[in-house]
Amino acid sequence: DGGITQSPKYLFRKEGQNVTLSCEQNLNHDAMYWYRQDPGQGLRLIYYSQIVNDFQKGDIAEGYSVSREKKESFPLTVTSAQKNPTAFYLCASKDSEAFFGQGTRLTVV
Amino acid sequence: AQTVTQSQPEMSVQEAETVTLSCTYDTSESDYYLFWYKQPPSRQMILVIRQEAYKQQNATENRFSVNFQKAAKSFSLKISDSQLGDAAMYFCAYRSAGIVVYRDDKIIFGKGTRLHILP
Repeated sequence: DGGITQSPKYLFRKEGQNVTLSCEQNLNHDAMYWYRQDPGQGLRLIYYSQIVNDFQKGDIAEGYSVSREKKESFPLTVTSAQKNPTAFYLCASKDSEAFFGQGTRLTVV
Repeated sequence: AQTVTQSQPEMSVQEAETVTLSCTYDTSESDYYLFWYKQPPSRQMILVIRQEAYKQQNATENRFSVNFQKAAKSFSLKISDSQLGDAAMYFCAYRSAGIVVYRDDKIIFGKGTRLHILP
């Protein structure tokens, strides 16, 4: 089945630690996106990538990093510099419309 | 920069009735796509309907239809015969179309409208 897979579904992080969220797609899409969702804030764009080995900052990139070494994969690292990382994170890929993964709920403990 | 505004944080509708969710957007472009996505309690984002700006005819998908007013930059979603399964967050989204600088190819979302269905 074609689609986007995010893992893990739930992730707990201690303060001061970096964590990496996985996003893999087998839809052969060039474009991939990371969004953060908070209550009342909608979806805010963190990073996006249109081609391998290239990516751009979105509206709230501070404290996050990404890589795009393969077309299928677009992992997001939440660094210790991110002051308020507890949120729901959505990965998407796109041709004419966006297709989403099931999301990762990150909680700082 | 493009923006998408959903002015209704929450709405309620009686089961089997019709409800309209509002969305306005701001852009200087003439060619673009507009979308409505549904996010049920599972949090999986599901595409409900899409509209190409160059098409004057309003898109329709079963009980879901849009009222696209390009001059007014308005893109409302009408849900007819509301069902309990329609309860969800609904997001309006915008995407540029045509030939664009690839680095500017973003999808921009509104803040969402939470729809409650009353039995």
